[in-house]
Parts: sequence; structure tokens; C-alpha cells
Amino acid sequence: DQQVKQNSPSLSVQEGRISILNCDYTNSMFDYFLWYKKYPAEGPTFLISISSIKDKNEDGRFTVFLNKSAKHLSLHIVPSQPGDSAVYFCAASVSNTNAGKSTFGDGTTLTVKP
Amino acid sequence: DTGVSQDPRHKITKRGQNVTFRCDPISEHNRLYWYRQTLGQGPEFLTYFQNEAQLEKSRLLSDRFSAERPKGSFSTLEIQRTEQGDSAMYLCASSSSLGVNTEAFFGQGTRLTVV
Repeated sequence: DQQVKQNSPSLSVQEGRISILNCDYTNSMFDYFLWYKKYPAEGPTFLISISSIKDKNEDGRFTVFLNKSAKHLSLHIVPSQPGDSAVYFCAASVSNTNAGKSTFGDGTTLTVKP
Repeated sequence: DTGVSQDPRHKITKRGQNVTFRCDPISEHNRLYWYRQTLGQGPEFLTYFQNEAQLEKSRLLSDRFSAERPKGSFSTLEIQRTEQGDSAMYLCASSSSLGVNTEAFFGQGTRLTVV
């Protein structure tokens, strides 16, 4: 029973366009959501997060949207750059006070073409 | 501080042997986590420590696995009598329980291959 699902294993977009990565979760106890980015041969790196009391959080080119009723979140990258090409993991935690303990999705590989 | 450090980066072992991995967290972080990642999947939580206390263990952590953090600084993860199914990337992460930012900072991982 996978509690965090990223249904698109891969996504390819043109440089300058918007990238939208999606994530669904099933556990209603999840209260805090994170996106991590992973380059080959490196560990995941924290990108952006959102608390369940919000529906949007923005940090530069990255925006995360949360639809709690649908148990769905998405990461928008605008504009996309070739350096954004990486694997993106959606993660969920039951508490923002211990977000290091999270349940991860299987990732979406983003390729941004020049 | 250069971040979370893991050693070794790669380990090949024969089935049935014991292996031990080390993790050095970011120095000011009091929490340390171990995750396992297999090909095509996301990291799966194994266990975590706050200071030297092991506070939670996943059901994925069988009796052959043991983790320690004796002085609340570095941690070791030992796998006894390795099996081919143990082949995976073992990721260590650390975080702080203080403040509002409690997300994990990951190391580069130790890739284990059991032959």
C-alpha cells in the first residue's frame, strides 16, 4: 500500500516552459509535504515544503500547491531550465516538527531540453 | 561543515557476510535518519535517532539490521548475514529538532551490492 504516489515516472519539457509534477497521497494523517530534488550520484536535496494549513507556497521559480480535499499536491517550475533536470521526489510527514521522517513517492524524472 | 558524510560510498559483499556503514551528520543536527532506496523507488524510512536515543524503527528493519549512535554524533548501520535482497542504496540524513526547518539533509549514500 503505497501512501505517496507519483504517477508520472518521467516528464520532458522545453527550456523556458512550465514543468508540473504531480503527487497524490492516501494517508489523512500527513500534515506536511516536501519536494526533494536528486541529481545522479548525490543524495536528495530539499527543495520546498508546504504545511497542510496552506494551499500554496512559493520560492523563486518553484511553487507547490496543495489540495487537501483531493489529497493532491503539485510542484510548478517556471521557467524551467536545463539545470532543473533531475529526479523529483514528493514526500509527506505527519508533523512539520519531524519532517526528516517522511514517506516518499517513487520520483519523477524531469528532463528540460534546451 | 561539508554536510552529511557516508562511508563507504560503495560496498560489494558476499551473501552471508556482515557489513557496517558509517554516517557523520551535520554537526549541529541532533536527529539522524537511515533510509533505504532500491532502483526505481523512493527512499524508505528505516530508523531514526534523536541524540543517542533510537526513537523509531520501521518494520522494514529486520532482526539482521542494527543501528547505533553511541555518543549522539556519528551513527553506524550494521547488516548481519547479508542477503541478495539487501542490495540497495543506504541513505543517511540529519536534521534539527529546533526551529521551524526540520527537513532532512541527505548524504550521498552507500551503495551495497550483495553477490
